[in-house]
Amino acid sequence: EDQVTQSPEALRLQEGESSSLNCSYTVSGLRGLFWYRQDPGKGPEFLFTLYSAGEEKEKERLKATLTKKESFLHITAPKPEDSATYLCAVGWHTNAGKSTFGDGTTLTVKP
Amino acid sequence: EAQVTQNPRYLITVTGKKLTVTCSQNMNHEYMSWYRQDPGLGLRQIYYSMNVEVTDKGDVPEGYKVSRKEKRNFPLILESPSPNQTSLYFCASSLGGSLTEAFFGQGTRLTVV
Repeated sequence: EDQVTQSPEALRLQEGESSSLNCSYTVSGLRGLFWYRQDPGKGPEFLFTLYSAGEEKEKERLKATLTKKESFLHITAPKPEDSATYLCAVGWHTNAGKSTFGDGTTLTVKP
Repeated sequence: EAQVTQNPRYLITVTGKKLTVTCSQNMNHEYMSWYRQDPGLGLRQIYYSMNVEVTDKGDVPEGYKVSRKEKRNFPLILESPSPNQTSLYFCASSLGGSLTEAFFGQGTRLTVV
């Protein structure tokens, strides 16, 4: 069964304290792995798409990486405005329109 | 401004009373999808559409209907809502299919009593 698991469920950091969020998946025929950010009361906002193992993408303080079994979202020197829920999702080749989300990691960055 | 617009944002209704949640996008996207978000269960896909007149089931389609008669609109229909459909609903659209650079609406909070 295709599954997407994110850890930890919640993460509290001090401003400037770097860390990583994990997204592990069991999907046969991965089409893409997607990272989204969701602020309270709002819809998810696109961050990255990763397609193949070894791929990396960066945006400001965020860097996403992908292996054959998991993806990491590295947050370098986070700021309070990085506080949000980070969602990971996967899509697969056999059914291009379907997608499965993980439960998310809620990040809180204290000043 | 590129956006996905859902209406209404909030809705309280009674069991069995048919309702429609509208979703409209202004980006000429081919792909659109509906999700529900529940505490502890994350975002779950209800239905999606790869193009006009092409729709398919996601993981939790029971109790829902959709239609895609024109590219910009993808309404979600609950013909006989039940309390277990109380949830936060999101519509999304993208150019290339699936979740690559998808835009999400602001959400519709539905309560069925």
